[in-house]
Amino acid sequence: GEDVEQSLFLSVREGDSSVINCTYTDSSSTYLYWYKQEPGAGLQLLTYIFSNMDMKQDQRLTVLLNKKDKHLSLRIADTQTGDSAIYFCAEMDSSYKLIFGSGTRLLVRP
Amino acid sequence: EPEVTQTPSHQVTQMGQEVILRCVPISNHLYFYWYRQILGQKVEFLVSFYNNEISEKSEIFDDQFSVERPDGSNFTLKIRSTKLEDSAMYFCASSEAGQGRNNEQFFGPGTRLTVL
Repeated sequence: GEDVEQSLFLSVREGDSSVINCTYTDSSSTYLYWYKQEPGAGLQLLTYIFSNMDMKQDQRLTVLLNKKDKHLSLRIADTQTGDSAIYFCAEMDSSYKLIFGSGTRLLVRP
Repeated sequence: EPEVTQTPSHQVTQMGQEVILRCVPISNHLYFYWYRQILGQKVEFLVSFYNNEISEKSEIFDDQFSVERPDGSNFTLKIRSTKLEDSAMYFCASSEAGQGRNNEQFFGPGTRLTVL
């Protein structure tokens, strides 16, 4: 079945770039998403990419998509302590439901 | 900015009791969803709803679960007879479209359900 995998933890120093990686299995996915979850809060949509794109930039966020390898990444430039959160990768399957990864916990050290 | 709201934020119930979780989707959205996240596990799809009927449901969404849009604004998830394993964070989401442009799903803050 469809599956989305992420590394569990990433620690970076404030001001550095963070790169969170994700792999997925459903080659028919048309949209892929990144959500952010802060402690005790819901899922905040950060950005998304359509499958016919290789890259999408939105301020400090850059999404790269390698459709051949089914690999998605989220780069956060100039990472701040407020970026500390869990980041979820999700793909939209053919029935328009989201399949989530297990989330990557990003810790930003001062 | 419009947002999805959910009530209550935390619900504690006894095993076997019925619970109703409430959601108010974004007003111009037509597609509605419930997901859940058991502590330490992935966010899982439960059900999608469009045009007053279920579009798709997962294996988790058995006969104990039901959804309803009782009026023009609310979207509810009912669990008829709660089990210990129903303890989870339940997220409501809505989107303007199901596919194509404007299909982004916006999530509410969640209801934490604790079954004792």
